[in-house]
Amino acid sequence: EVQLVESGGGLVKPGGSLRLSCVASGFTFTSYSMNWVRQAPGKGLEWVSSISITSNYIYYADSVRGRFTISRDNAQNSLYLQMNSLKTEDTAVYYCARDDGVAARPNWFDPWGQGTLVTVSS
Amino acid sequence: EVVMTQSPATLSVSPGERATFSCRASQSVSSNLAWYQQKPGQAPRLLIYGASTRATGIPARFSGSGSGTEFTLTISSLQSEDFAVYYCQQYNNWPHGTFGQGTKVEIK
Repeated sequence: EVQLVESGGGLVKPGGSLRLSCVASGFTFTSYSMNWVRQAPGKGLEWVSSISITSNYIYYADSVRGRFTISRDNAQNSLYLQMNSLKTEDTAVYYCARDDGVAARPNWFDPWGQGTLVTVSS
Repeated sequence: EVVMTQSPATLSVSPGERATFSCRASQSVSSNLAWYQQKPGQAPRLLIYGASTRATGIPARFSGSGSGTEFTLTISSLQSEDFAVYYCQQYNNWPHGTFGQGTKVEIK
């Protein structure tokens, strides 16, 4: 079964840091780009960041650029999101999602993990 | 950056009726358009990719159409499990995670 499992969410104060992890199973992790998408409470989906198979292409939303760092460990089938200088507006459920379809070009997201909640509050 | 605009924001439909809603791109995305369904407390689920190809296991009552800048998702006969929020996403160019703001399909 293809599966993505996120972890690392929690409560953090403004200005703090948090590292999210996403472990992949059931597919060849080294064949797919990966993504982070977030959803603030009661709001829509917001793409956060993408990383290519060999990490040579990395993209960030303007809202997180300079504060968040995406990375992956292909040996561990894992995706990460290091979040620094957190703001209250970063409060959201964070999903990891596989970039499905043809490699070396952008694709739809499938599957998605179940999400991990990050709450930034004093 | 491509901006995706969905309409309407909310659609009230009776079970068994047809539901149609739209997604517009600020510039052409060819057929590189996906639709997702999200129920409360759940992760989004892929419904359609390539503007009109149903994902694995998606019932035939879901259909997508369009290309360029105008796209439509149609649910031919709404079932109780279809009441949810639907999002479109373009993946024509990197960064490709541009989502629409969503259409909520609620029971009339």
